[in-house]
Amino acid sequence: IVLTQSPGTLSLSPGETATLSCRASQSVTSNYLAWYQQKPGQAPRLLIYGASSRATDIPDRFSGSGSGTDFTLTISELEPEDFAVYYCQQYDNPLPYTFGQGTKLEIK
Amino acid sequence: QLQLQESGSRLVRPSQTLSLTCGVSGGSFNNPDYSWSWIRQPPGKGLEWIGQIYYGGSTHYNPSLELRVTISIDTSKRQFSLKLSSVTAADTAVYYCARAVDTAMAYYFDYWAQGTLVTVSS
Repeated sequence: IVLTQSPGTLSLSPGETATLSCRASQSVTSNYLAWYQQKPGQAPRLLIYGASSRATDIPDRFSGSGSGTDFTLTISELEPEDFAVYYCQQYDNPLPYTFGQGTKLEIK
Repeated sequence: QLQLQESGSRLVRPSQTLSLTCGVSGGSFNNPDYSWSWIRQPPGKGLEWIGQIYYGGSTHYNPSLELRVTISIDTSKRQFSLKLSSVTAADTAVYYCARAVDTAMAYYFDYWAQGTLVTVSS
């Protein structure tokens, strides 16, 4: 399954809302879709799994939605520490698990 | 708190074998709810799943790498390992080990190591 993320880069100001898209080349069963945040020089951090379930200690300004082939990560009231690269990942079968190419969220 | 730490060669000659080990501390290691994965990221690029080893020792690999990859586990030492043979410059990447969470035999990754840059160069 190929995941296509858009936009490639999103320029916003703190306090605004970010909407990131992840589109799958075929339907993702049971919403097996996760979102990760990656900052420079760091490992990815799990934000969302099952398309909409927040991981442990993730603030509620992060929310995931969608099903089938279209998924969205919404970040409300952007904080300075939210500016990073975001990846979606599908963990449906058959293998392999795949990631999107990433969306860079930058400060405007 | 679960922690993962990679170790191994950071410079590998072309055509040789890349070897990395991931040590796991804290938390549960030998648990059927989790598997253990390797993921890589070429400099400036996106993430690629390499493969994983399941509770019980079975493995699955990315078909794009399957002929060159071996993942093994040593439960007594709380570590698992990656071997990638016949490397080329295209295998230069940051390699991450991660814990994979089982949701009906579908896995996402909740804990990641810091990552190790492995460079393939003569």
